[in-house]
Parts: sequence; structure tokens; C-alpha cells
Amino acid sequence: ETGVTQSPTHLIKTRGQQVTLRCSSQSGHNTVSWYQQALGQGPQFIFQYYREEENGRGNFPPRFSGLQFPNYSSELNVNALELDDSALYLCASSSLRQGLQFELSYEQYFGPGTRLTVT
Amino acid sequence: AQSVTQLGSHVSVSEGALVLLRCNYSSSVPPYLFWYVQYPNQGLQLLLKYTTGATLVKGINGFEAEFKKSETSFHLTKPSAHMSDAAEYFCAAAPSNTGTASKLTFGTGTRLQVTL
Repeated sequence: ETGVTQSPTHLIKTRGQQVTLRCSSQSGHNTVSWYQQALGQGPQFIFQYYREEENGRGNFPPRFSGLQFPNYSSELNVNALELDDSALYLCASSSLRQGLQFELSYEQYFGPGTRLTVT
Repeated sequence: AQSVTQLGSHVSVSEGALVLLRCNYSSSVPPYLFWYVQYPNQGLQLLLKYTTGATLVKGINGFEAEFKKSETSFHLTKPSAHMSDAAEYFCAAAPSNTGTASKLTFGTGTRLQVTL
């Protein structure tokens, strides 16, 4: 069974640039969530994708956008990068199916993260 | 709005001593609760979770946690600390009153140091 993978592992960008981060979900999972973890903080929810549609969003501006593909992999795009966007970006996958006791959908499996540095 | 508070950003224990990491939640409806561990330069690994049923839940690596509704707490314990337990621990909550997968709200984390 393949776990959650993320690419790249590290990235350095300049303020104002755009970045795309990628995530491959765990085999059998159809839901992907993205979190931002600033240094010394807990992860903050950015958004979640289920069946290729956004299924909930946290308090992040529209320049944070995402995609989910038919194979359930996902991308996080950030436009107009700011210094405060420097963080570890975590992807988590889970499985949600119609009729399933919904608490099982909360067992999220996290990838190793992408460390983004904005200079 | 839901929130999670972890008391103590750093906890230091001796090897073999009891580990107690504190977590309190604030929510109008008792949420689902989780503890995650994060080792340096790694993602988060689920230690244990409480959804429904027995309020004392056992997880991996000898950890357990007890959900206490009256105290709005979900403290993590381990009877005997091991050097390999040194890591960052996060308590998280998710709303229990929605029909679809939803977001995890994390605390700010507690760094556990284990000394000889």
C-alpha cells in the first residue's frame, strides 16, 4: 500500500511568484485536505477536495487554490506569494463514501510535507 | 467556533517517567478528537482518536487518552517514557455534527523532551 507522497520536498520562491505543490493520495482514498504549518505552530486547514470539487475551506485568501484529479491526486496553487506564506504545507488523504459512518472519514493520513520558503 | 488548547508548549520527562500532555477543546457539541505525533522533518502520524463509545482510547506506541466531557479535555498519557517518544505532539478536533468530511482544528503543539 502506497502512502501519501508530496513533491517537491523543498522549494524556494521569491515574493510575488506563483507556486504549485503536488500530492498523491494513499491508495483507495478519494479525499485530499491541505494544511499550512507555520514554524512553531499547529497545522491550519486550507481546503479539502472530494471527487474533484472543493468540500470546505479555511480562512485563506482566494490566491490559495487547488485541484483534484480523477486519480484523486491534488495540487495546491498559491499566487502572488508573500513572505508569510513560508511554511510547511501538508497534504492529508482520507476516504469518504456515501453511507459510510462519517467519523471514519476523519482518519486522515498525512504526507511528509513541502517546505516552502519565500524570500 | 471550535478551538483546541494545548497547555505547555514544552514538556520534559525522564526516561521511564509518566508522560502527560494536556489538551482541552472548546466546542458547542463534543467533537471528534485526535492526537498526532510529528518527528523532525516529517509529516503527522495518527496516535489515537476518539469518535464515539469508550472514552478511554488506546493508541500506538503505548499511548492512551481519555475523553472527559465534563472537563472538555482529552489528555494524552503514557506510563513510561522512552527516548524515541521525543517529538512534537498535536491535539486536533473535528466537528461531529456534519455529514461529510471536514477540517481538523489543531492545537499549537507540545514538544516532548525525554532525558536520561
